Amino acid sequence: QVQLVQSGAEVKKPGASVKVSCKASGFIFVSYAMHWVRQAPGQRPEWMGWISAGNDNTKYSQKFQGRVTISRDTSASTAYLDLSSLRSDDTAVYYCARAGESNAFDIWGQGTQVTVSS
Amino acid sequence: DIQMTQSPSSLSASVGDRVTITCRASQSISRYLHWIQQKPGKAPNLLIYAASSLQSGVPSRFSGSGSGTDFTLTISSLQPEDFATYYCQQSYSSPVTFGGGTKVEIK
Repeated sequence: QVQLVQSGAEVKKPGASVKVSCKASGFIFVSYAMHWVRQAPGQRPEWMGWISAGNDNTKYSQKFQGRVTISRDTSASTAYLDLSSLRSDDTAVYYCARAGESNAFDIWGQGTQVTVSS
Repeated sequence: DIQMTQSPSSLSASVGDRVTITCRASQSISRYLHWIQQKPGKAPNLLIYAASSLQSGVPSRFSGSGSGTDFTLTISSLQPEDFATYYCQQSYSSPVTFGGGTKVEIK
């Protein structure tokens, strides 16, 4: 079964960092680019960045530049999102997604709630 | 950044109705336009990719059309399980951007 399974919910204090994982199964992980998207309550999804297939190049949204790192461990079929210097407005559900044809996000993880609160 | 504008932002419809949602891009995005469905508390789900291609497993009552800047998602006969929020998304250029969403509610 083709799926992406993400790590569990996190509660962090302002200024801390969070690392979310996304484990792939049912497909050849190394062959696909992976994206990260977040969604605050009642808001549209917001793209954070991606890691390419093969050479693992990364590209980040300007909004998160300097605070975000996306990586992958092909031996573990897992992608990671690191977000640092957390603020209260980083509270959101974070999703990983596989890039399919035309770079459409054809498989999504179940989401990871990240709550930033003092 | 490419801005994606959807209309309407919400609509009320009955089971069996034909529903049309539009999405406009602030510049041409060729056919790099995708439609996703999201139900409350759930992850998004891809319905249509490349403007008009039906994702595997998605019912044929969903269809998409358009190119350039103007796109349409049509549900030919609304079913109870279709009540959800629909987003358009462009992947023509970075950053990937999403429309504001259309919430389809029961009349």
